Amino acid sequence: KAGVTQTPRYLIKTRGQQVTLSCSPISGHRSVSWYQQTPGQGLQFLFEYFSETQRNKGNFPGRFSGRQFSNSRSEMNVSTLELGDSALYLCASSLYGGLDYGYTFGSGTRLTVV
Amino acid sequence: GDSVTQMEGPVTLSEEAFLTINCTYTATGYPSLFWYVQYPGEGLQLLLKATKADDKGSNKGFEATYRKETTSFHLEKGSVQVSDSAVYFCALSARSNDYKLSFGAGTTVTVRA
Repeated sequence: KAGVTQTPRYLIKTRGQQVTLSCSPISGHRSVSWYQQTPGQGLQFLFEYFSETQRNKGNFPGRFSGRQFSNSRSEMNVSTLELGDSALYLCASSLYGGLDYGYTFGSGTRLTVV
Repeated sequence: GDSVTQMEGPVTLSEEAFLTINCTYTATGYPSLFWYVQYPGEGLQLLLKATKADDKGSNKGFEATYRKETTSFHLEKGSVQVSDSAVYFCALSARSNDYKLSFGAGTTVTVRA
């Protein structure tokens, strides 16, 4: 079965712009989570969507937002980009999220802000 | 809050050596524990998991046992290969943490031929 697909793989944006990243989860998975990975901060949780509703949110400013569609595909948006937003953004899907199910990650979107 | 602490790297080994990466956790209740691996330029891959005390997760020669008494989930492999060179992350998911994954800092492992 197809894995988690993230598009695009690479992005270069200028400070002040906004960006939208996309994630298509494994078919049948209803939970989609987003993580930011940087050398300094490691892997940090951004938010999770389950059945089109944001179920959980990490400690990121309001410039970071997301949504989930009825087919479980998810997008995250970052507005007013800052240099510090340069990171690998990872999407993870799961059947229901939670304790008993592993999360499957996509290959990520590498965002560079210049 | 819930957190994971794993041994700092980098770790450099020769092929066929024994690998151990220590991981301890702090959590309220009974978390599930995971090891993920990240190869250069790629996302995270689930290596193994354990969902209750004394469970042993295993995959591709790697093993880890959920030890509630020591709050640990150490990763081991008896004979590493060059292809095992990667970054390894210990993680937990707990009801008290709203099920999100909390990761350790990652341990970079390099295996030399």
